Amino acid sequence: DSGVTQTPKHLITATGQRVTLRCSPRSGDLSVYWYQQSLDQGLQFLIQYYNGEERAKGNILERFSAQQFPDLHSELNLSSLELGDSALYFCASSVAPQGTSTDTQYFGPGTRLTVL
Amino acid sequence: AQTVTQSQPEMSVQEAETVTLSCTYDTSESDYYLFWYKQPPSRQMILVIRQEAYKQQNATENRFSVNFQKAAKSFSLKISDSQLGDAAMYFCAVMNRDDKIIFGKGTRLHILP
Repeated sequence: DSGVTQTPKHLITATGQRVTLRCSPRSGDLSVYWYQQSLDQGLQFLIQYYNGEERAKGNILERFSAQQFPDLHSELNLSSLELGDSALYFCASSVAPQGTSTDTQYFGPGTRLTVL
Repeated sequence: AQTVTQSQPEMSVQEAETVTLSCTYDTSESDYYLFWYKQPPSRQMILVIRQEAYKQQNATENRFSVNFQKAAKSFSLKISDSQLGDAAMYFCAVMNRDDKIIFGKGTRLHILP
Protein backbone atom coordinates (compact mmCIF):
# COMPACT_ATOMS: atom_id res chain seq x y z
CA ASP A 1 0.00 0.00 0.00
CA SER A 2 1.60 3.23 -1.20
CA GLY A 3 -0.50 5.52 1.00
CA VAL A 4 -2.07 7.22 -2.02
CA THR A 5 -5.81 6.71 -2.30
CA GLN A 6 -8.00 7.11 -5.35
CA THR A 7 -11.75 7.01 -5.69
CA PRO A 8 -13.71 5.54 -7.26
CA LYS A 9 -12.01 2.29 -8.24
CA HIS A 10 -14.25 1.83 -11.23
CA LEU A 11 -16.38 4.24 -13.18
CA ILE A 12 -18.68 3.45 -16.08
CA THR A 13 -20.30 6.26 -17.96
CA ALA A 14 -21.58 7.26 -21.37
CA THR A 15 -20.08 9.38 -24.11
CA GLY A 16 -20.60 13.09 -23.65
CA GLN A 17 -20.73 12.85 -19.87
CA ARG A 18 -18.47 14.43 -17.27
CA VAL A 19 -16.74 12.64 -14.40
CA THR A 20 -14.51 13.57 -11.49
CA LEU A 21 -11.72 11.40 -10.21
CA ARG A 22 -10.36 12.02 -6.74
CA CYS A 23 -6.92 11.49 -5.28
CA SER A 24 -5.58 11.84 -1.76
CA PRO A 25 -1.77 11.97 -1.59
CA ARG A 26 0.39 10.35 1.04
CA SER A 27 0.52 12.23 4.30
CA GLY A 28 3.10 14.98 3.96
CA ASP A 29 3.34 14.87 0.17
CA LEU A 30 2.80 18.19 -1.54
CA SER A 31 3.01 17.12 -5.18
CA VAL A 32 0.28 15.27 -7.03
CA TYR A 33 0.59 13.85 -10.53
CA TRP A 34 -2.05 12.45 -12.85
CA TYR A 35 -1.41 9.77 -15.48
CA GLN A 36 -3.48 8.01 -18.07
CA GLN A 37 -2.74 4.43 -19.02
CA SER A 38 -4.39 3.08 -22.13
CA LEU A 39 -3.59 0.11 -24.34
CA ASP A 40 -2.60 2.14 -27.37
CA GLN A 41 -0.88 5.10 -25.70
CA GLY A 42 0.80 3.39 -22.79
CA LEU A 43 1.33 5.36 -19.60
CA GLN A 44 1.21 9.10 -20.17
CA PHE A 45 1.79 12.00 -17.82
CA LEU A 46 -1.12 14.42 -17.76
CA ILE A 47 -0.49 17.12 -15.18
CA GLN A 48 1.24 17.93 -11.91
CA TYR A 49 0.30 20.13 -8.98
CA TYR A 50 2.52 21.25 -6.16
CA ASN A 51 1.01 22.74 -3.02
CA GLY A 52 -2.09 23.88 -4.87
CA GLU A 53 -0.39 25.30 -7.94
CA GLU A 54 -0.11 23.77 -11.38
CA ARG A 55 3.54 22.97 -11.97
CA ALA A 56 3.86 20.88 -15.10
CA LYS A 57 1.60 19.88 -17.96
CA GLY A 58 1.93 16.86 -20.17
CA ASN A 59 -0.40 15.43 -22.80
CA ILE A 60 -3.60 16.61 -21.18
CA LEU A 61 -6.57 17.31 -23.42
CA GLU A 62 -8.45 20.59 -23.17
CA ARG A 63 -11.53 18.60 -22.14
CA PHE A 64 -9.63 17.53 -19.03
CA SER A 65 -8.81 19.72 -16.08
CA ALA A 66 -7.47 19.24 -12.60
CA GLN A 67 -7.01 21.08 -9.38
CA GLN A 68 -5.38 20.61 -6.01
CA PHE A 69 -7.24 21.80 -2.95
CA PRO A 70 -5.88 23.38 0.26
CA ASP A 71 -5.99 19.99 2.00
CA LEU A 72 -3.77 18.75 -0.87
CA HIS A 73 -6.22 16.28 -2.33
CA SER A 74 -6.65 16.57 -6.06
CA GLU A 75 -9.42 16.06 -8.55
CA LEU A 76 -9.21 15.28 -12.24
CA ASN A 77 -12.23 16.37 -14.22
CA LEU A 78 -12.94 14.73 -17.54
CA SER A 79 -15.69 16.22 -19.69
CA SER A 80 -17.36 15.54 -23.04
CA LEU A 81 -16.15 11.99 -22.67
CA GLU A 82 -15.30 9.94 -25.72
CA LEU A 83 -14.84 6.21 -26.16
CA GLY A 84 -11.10 6.77 -26.43
CA ASP A 85 -10.98 8.20 -22.92
CA SER A 86 -11.52 4.74 -21.49
CA ALA A 87 -8.37 4.04 -19.55
CA LEU A 88 -6.82 3.53 -16.17
CA TYR A 89 -6.12 6.87 -14.50
CA PHE A 90 -3.40 6.96 -11.91
CA CYS A 91 -2.58 9.54 -9.34
CA ALA A 92 0.87 9.69 -7.78
CA SER A 93 2.33 11.85 -5.05
CA SER A 94 5.73 12.91 -3.86
CA VAL A 95 7.06 15.07 -1.08
CA ALA A 96 8.46 17.77 -3.28
CA PRO A 97 8.63 18.74 -6.93
CA GLN A 98 10.79 16.53 -9.06
CA GLY A 99 14.42 17.31 -9.27
CA THR A 100 14.89 17.45 -5.54
CA SER A 101 16.30 14.83 -3.30
CA THR A 102 12.89 13.54 -2.30
CA ASP A 103 11.25 13.16 -5.66
CA THR A 104 10.17 9.55 -5.75
CA GLN A 105 6.58 9.22 -6.88
CA TYR A 106 4.22 6.86 -5.12
CA PHE A 107 1.28 5.67 -7.16
CA GLY A 108 -2.29 5.09 -6.12
CA PRO A 109 -4.26 2.02 -7.18
CA GLY A 110 -5.87 3.81 -10.11
CA THR A 111 -9.40 4.48 -11.31
CA ARG A 112 -10.66 2.37 -14.18
CA LEU A 113 -12.82 4.53 -16.44
CA THR A 114 -15.02 2.88 -19.03
CA VAL A 115 -16.86 5.08 -21.49
CA LEU A 116 -19.72 3.35 -23.31
CA ALA B 1 11.95 15.23 -26.73
CA GLN B 2 12.53 12.41 -24.35
CA THR B 3 11.92 8.85 -25.40
CA VAL B 4 12.14 5.57 -23.55
CA THR B 5 12.46 2.28 -25.41
CA GLN B 6 11.90 -1.14 -23.93
CA SER B 7 12.73 -3.52 -26.73
CA GLN B 8 11.42 -6.68 -25.06
CA PRO B 9 7.61 -6.74 -24.96
CA GLU B 10 7.66 -10.04 -23.06
CA MET B 11 10.18 -12.17 -21.25
CA SER B 12 10.14 -15.39 -19.29
CA VAL B 13 12.49 -16.65 -16.64
CA GLN B 14 12.64 -19.78 -14.54
CA GLU B 15 11.98 -19.32 -10.85
CA ALA B 16 15.20 -18.67 -8.88
CA GLU B 17 17.06 -17.66 -12.04
CA THR B 18 18.30 -14.21 -13.01
CA VAL B 19 16.75 -12.04 -15.69
CA THR B 20 17.70 -8.68 -17.19
CA LEU B 21 15.20 -6.25 -18.65
CA SER B 22 16.51 -3.73 -21.16
CA CYS B 23 15.79 -0.04 -21.39
CA THR B 24 17.31 2.69 -23.51
CA TYR B 25 16.35 6.31 -23.40
CA ASP B 26 17.05 9.58 -25.08
CA THR B 27 17.26 12.93 -23.38
CA SER B 28 19.13 16.14 -24.03
CA GLU B 29 19.42 16.87 -20.34
CA SER B 30 22.52 16.11 -18.31
CA ASP B 31 20.66 15.90 -15.02
CA TYR B 32 17.77 13.48 -14.83
CA TYR B 33 16.35 10.53 -12.94
CA LEU B 34 15.62 6.99 -14.02
CA PHE B 35 13.10 4.60 -12.57
CA TRP B 36 11.82 1.10 -12.87
CA TYR B 37 8.21 0.57 -11.90
CA LYS B 38 6.42 -2.74 -11.53
CA GLN B 39 2.74 -3.20 -12.35
CA PRO B 40 1.36 -6.54 -11.12
CA PRO B 41 -2.05 -7.87 -12.15
CA SER B 42 -3.60 -5.63 -9.50
CA ARG B 43 -2.60 -2.77 -11.87
CA GLN B 44 -1.04 -0.74 -9.08
CA MET B 45 2.26 0.94 -9.98
CA ILE B 46 5.04 0.07 -7.57
CA LEU B 47 8.43 1.73 -7.54
CA VAL B 48 11.15 -0.89 -7.85
CA ILE B 49 14.32 1.16 -8.05
CA ARG B 50 15.55 4.63 -8.94
CA GLN B 51 18.84 6.05 -10.17
CA GLU B 52 20.10 9.61 -10.25
CA ALA B 53 21.98 10.25 -13.48
CA TYR B 54 24.75 12.14 -11.68
CA LYS B 55 25.59 9.09 -9.60
CA GLN B 56 27.99 6.64 -11.20
CA GLN B 57 27.26 3.87 -8.74
CA ASN B 58 24.53 1.51 -9.86
CA ALA B 59 21.49 1.44 -7.59
CA THR B 60 20.55 -1.79 -5.85
CA GLU B 61 17.49 -2.75 -3.88
CA ASN B 62 17.63 -6.26 -2.46
CA ARG B 63 17.28 -8.64 -5.42
CA PHE B 64 16.92 -5.77 -7.89
CA SER B 65 19.86 -3.92 -9.37
CA VAL B 66 20.46 -1.74 -12.38
CA ASN B 67 23.22 -1.43 -14.92
CA PHE B 68 23.33 2.27 -15.73
CA GLN B 69 25.44 3.23 -18.72
CA LYS B 70 25.08 6.99 -19.07
CA ALA B 71 27.08 7.39 -22.26
CA ALA B 72 25.09 4.65 -23.95
CA LYS B 73 21.84 5.91 -22.40
CA SER B 74 21.06 2.46 -21.18
CA PHE B 75 19.35 1.50 -17.92
CA SER B 76 18.75 -2.21 -17.55
CA LEU B 77 17.13 -3.93 -14.59
CA LYS B 78 18.50 -7.18 -13.22
CA ILE B 79 16.29 -9.36 -11.06
CA SER B 80 18.16 -12.05 -9.16
CA ASP B 81 16.62 -15.19 -7.64
CA SER B 82 13.35 -14.56 -9.49
CA GLN B 83 10.21 -15.27 -7.50
CA LEU B 84 6.67 -15.95 -8.60
CA GLY B 85 5.64 -12.60 -7.13
CA ASP B 86 7.94 -10.83 -9.56
CA ALA B 87 5.57 -11.62 -12.41
CA ALA B 88 4.35 -8.25 -13.63
CA MET B 89 4.67 -5.59 -16.27
CA TYR B 90 7.84 -3.57 -15.76
CA PHE B 91 8.10 0.03 -16.91
CA CYS B 92 11.26 2.00 -17.35
CA ALA B 93 10.91 5.77 -16.96
CA VAL B 94 13.05 8.89 -17.28
CA MET B 95 12.37 12.22 -15.67
CA ASN B 96 14.06 15.55 -16.20
CA ARG B 97 14.02 18.47 -13.84
CA ASP B 98 11.03 19.87 -15.71
CA ASP B 99 8.95 17.39 -13.75
CA LYS B 100 7.67 15.44 -16.72
CA ILE B 101 8.18 11.72 -16.58
CA ILE B 102 8.17 9.58 -19.70
CA PHE B 103 7.49 5.86 -19.52
CA GLY B 104 8.45 3.07 -21.86
CA LYS B 105 5.84 0.71 -23.27
CA GLY B 106 6.69 -1.92 -20.70
CA THR B 107 8.03 -5.48 -20.58
CA ARG B 108 5.76 -8.24 -19.36
CA LEU B 109 7.74 -10.65 -17.22
CA HIS B 110 6.56 -14.23 -16.73
CA ILE B 111 8.04 -16.40 -13.98
CA LEU B 112 8.04 -20.11 -14.76
CA PRO B 113 7.72 -22.43 -11.75
